[in-house]
Amino acid sequence: QKEVEQNSGPLSVPEGAIASLNCTYSDRGSQSFFWYRQYSGKSPELIMSIYSNGDKEDGRFTAQLNKASQYVSLLIRDSQPSDSATYLCAVITLRSNDYKLSFGAGTTVTVRA
Amino acid sequence: DARVTQTPRHKVTEMGQEVTMRCQPILGHNTVFWYRQTMMQGLELLAYFRNRAPLDDSGMPKDRFSAEMPDATLATLKIQPSEPRDSAVYFCASGLGGALHFGNGTRLTVT
Repeated sequence: QKEVEQNSGPLSVPEGAIASLNCTYSDRGSQSFFWYRQYSGKSPELIMSIYSNGDKEDGRFTAQLNKASQYVSLLIRDSQPSDSATYLCAVITLRSNDYKLSFGAGTTVTVRA
Repeated sequence: DARVTQTPRHKVTEMGQEVTMRCQPILGHNTVFWYRQTMMQGLELLAYFRNRAPLDDSGMPKDRFSAEMPDATLATLKIQPSEPRDSAVYFCASGLGGALHFGNGTRLTVT
């Protein structure tokens, strides 16, 4: 079982719709969760972080965390063509004297104008 | 705006040659990561450092790859000898905790 799993997509949504991306993780002790956006040919950039159960909103983006079910999701409201990118889920799990950061394989989103 | 700087941006070399990639992390960041990204494998962790000490290089082929951090402003990744299967984009990222800032990457092509 992979440590972090995402639907590979591609996810195609019409402009103005909600894009919903899901991520599950295997280690129940994971504590910190991040969403990165990567445009084609560019480097990943951090767009959201979430640490406690519930929702966290930032503009058109909402991250949702459910530790009991071990999933974290990202909603993109009013999707724009500029949101077309690959979205990477990342999870931090504490170890005895360190932490481990694991990335999912990413979900590619295409927003149709 | 602080950023992670990687050099070179592009590198084309022949099989068997040594390749050195450099990274200047953001000042004050205590963790530095090296990742490799290909279409097939996604982001693969090669090595990471905290406070310049190597903590995990289990993802790195030890016989040809080496990663060092000679000082707080420089991290290096070397491949010797390089092989065509090493062709990929190599990213350096630095951070405090889990929120990482990525450099623009080095696109390596080994012919």
